[in-house]
Amino acid sequence: EADIYQTPRYLVIGTGKKITLECSQTMGHDKMYWYQQDPGMELHLIHYSYGVNSTEKGDLSSESTVSRIRTEHFPLTLESARPSHTSQYLCASSGPSRGRSLEQYFGPGTRLTVT
Amino acid sequence: KNQVEQSPQSLIILEGKNCTLQCNYTVSPFSNLRWYKQDTGRGPVSLTIMTFSENTKSNGRYTATLDADTKQSSLHITASQLSDSASYICVVSDRGSTLGRLYFGRGTQLTVWP
Repeated sequence: EADIYQTPRYLVIGTGKKITLECSQTMGHDKMYWYQQDPGMELHLIHYSYGVNSTEKGDLSSESTVSRIRTEHFPLTLESARPSHTSQYLCASSGPSRGRSLEQYFGPGTRLTVT
Repeated sequence: KNQVEQSPQSLIILEGKNCTLQCNYTVSPFSNLRWYKQDTGRGPVSLTIMTFSENTKSNGRYTATLDADTKQSSLHITASQLSDSASYICVVSDRGSTLGRLYFGRGTQLTVWP
């Protein structure tokens, strides 16, 4: 099983609150990703990072932001949660080299509900 | 437009039976195709990865096939077990970008009944 962790696993929060979803991996991977997945739907890439101090937006527009200060840590922040942010958020990592896409290892996910 | 289509959307089989899941894709230029298993409330776990030159790859009771000419793949599960109940996701990677963008299907929801 891959060494990639997400906390919290479940979060119920009120509208307007600021939240941070944590993701960490111990595999030394340089690339990390955040996906959003609604029930019965495909995963959508919302953010990715090639390495420390590198962050890019993905295919799906998201009001969230990310940071990559350390290789192993890739937190996602919502400044003001809204009911439309209710979804499952999956973190993944791959590496160690650039170029061709390699195996992505996924964390267990965070199920976010905004009331 | 790069797309990945899976069928059927859902499938119910009895324990011990075999089944085959289908995946059609239009992703180009093609790099590789993966099948993932996603248990309810968990992250996807890789079952197989196949490149352009590979026609078939097995992982225990799971056997994936790839026809790069027709852009089709299948995942065959042999002697199904209750623990096989999950969503099976087909994912295709392109080689047109440094990131190697992944395109996800919506998955086939498999339920195995005792």
